[in-house]
Amino acid sequence: GAGVSQSPSNKVTEKGKDVELRCDPISGHTALYWYRQSLGQGLEFLIYFQGNSAPDKSGLPSDRFSAERTGGSVSTLTIQRTQQEDSAVYLCASSLKRAGLAADTQYFGPGTRLTVL
Amino acid sequence: AQSVTQPDIHITVSEGASLELRCNYSYGATPYLFWYVQSPGQGLQLLLKYFSGDTLVQGIKGFEAEFKRSQSSFNLRKPSVHWSDAAEYFCAVGPYILTGGGNKLTFGTGTQLKVEL
Repeated sequence: GAGVSQSPSNKVTEKGKDVELRCDPISGHTALYWYRQSLGQGLEFLIYFQGNSAPDKSGLPSDRFSAERTGGSVSTLTIQRTQQEDSAVYLCASSLKRAGLAADTQYFGPGTRLTVL
Repeated sequence: AQSVTQPDIHITVSEGASLELRCNYSYGATPYLFWYVQSPGQGLQLLLKYFSGDTLVQGIKGFEAEFKRSQSSFNLRKPSVHWSDAAEYFCAVGPYILTGGGNKLTFGTGTQLKVEL
């Protein structure tokens, strides 16, 4: 079946512009995660959505970052007033979160490479 | 706070040689452990995972990993490396028992594997 898809695959923007990154999770997966992969920082958790619960935003680095998940499926990560340090690969993952269990396997998309000039 | 250490940033092995990638973790509860592989320009692919049972787990592509609680380690091994195994490998830890923060994974900084023909 189809995996996690992300768009665009590459995004080049100018400092100060806003960007939107999109993630389409695997159909039926209720949990969705955003991570950031940058040089020298490795992979960092950003935000987590689970069903209709309030998202866990504990990993967002600043209030310029926000995300939403519409209809329990597609998610958009928005970065406002981009800075050069926002340059990174943004990875989305989804999992089939089953009641009573903890970490299900997270399946990752190919990522969006963001370059802020 | 949880952490994952992959002490080897780069490893070079000859094709056909055996491989061991090291991973040490620090986690305050029962961990759920993963190894992912990332090829250039690709997302993360799950190699294997462990949360209970036999401490030696088998994964895809001929990889295996051994969980050693006393050493807080989860090293990845392969008896005979193929040139196509050249990639970056990430160890990750997540909660086995669900916490309020969801199942966010903490990743190591990765080990870049080069295979010499």
